[in-house]
Amino acid sequence: AQKVTQAQTEISVVEKEDVTLDCVYETRDTTYYLFWYKQPPSGELVFLIRRNSFDEQNEISGRYSWNFQKSTSSFNFTITASQVVDSAVYFCALSDGGNFNKFYFGSGTKLNVKP
Amino acid sequence: EAGVTQFPSHSVIEKGQTVTLRCDPISGHDNLYWYRRVMGKEIKFLLHFVKESKQDESGMPNNRFLAERTGGTYSTLKVQPAELEDSGVYFCASSQDQGEDVEAFFGQGTRLTVV
Repeated sequence: AQKVTQAQTEISVVEKEDVTLDCVYETRDTTYYLFWYKQPPSGELVFLIRRNSFDEQNEISGRYSWNFQKSTSSFNFTITASQVVDSAVYFCALSDGGNFNKFYFGSGTKLNVKP
Repeated sequence: EAGVTQFPSHSVIEKGQTVTLRCDPISGHDNLYWYRRVMGKEIKFLLHFVKESKQDESGMPNNRFLAERTGGTYSTLKVQPAELEDSGVYFCASSQDQGEDVEAFFGQGTRLTVV
């Protein structure tokens, strides 16, 4: 069965601090996809990144970076020099090759960035 | 171009009443998904439409929930009769296709409170 665990329920940091959001997943599939979504106060889920199981390369996009490690079944998300606008709930998700957009989400991590 | 739109944004109903949630996907998107987040837990898949057909309804919790997508455009999710445990945020997402690298776009969700 597919499962995603985000052990950090809520994190508070001060602006400009770096913060890492943890995501651990479980799946028996060899082909799968990992995602991060951001839910700002407005409510919609905003796509941040997608990774397939064959691509363990880490990715950096501006202040955001992602560390995918199959050996530990983790797909962690780091925000460097956090800003108040980063305050949101962040969801990690998994989908398998059968239905790309059928997601198994974690419970989310609420990030509070204080000025 | 309009995004995924959900109506209403909030709904408060009494236990035993009926509520209908509506989702308008992005125009031209054949795939429509319903998800639900209950009590700060993980977001869970409910069902998936391809045009007007239900491709996967494995996540529907029970027969009090009825989803329809007549004409393959907008979709409705009816809860009848509503129970307290149905409270949560209901998300709708749409995508053009099911293949890899086809992004799903989420609406802002409908917050349902059953009292």
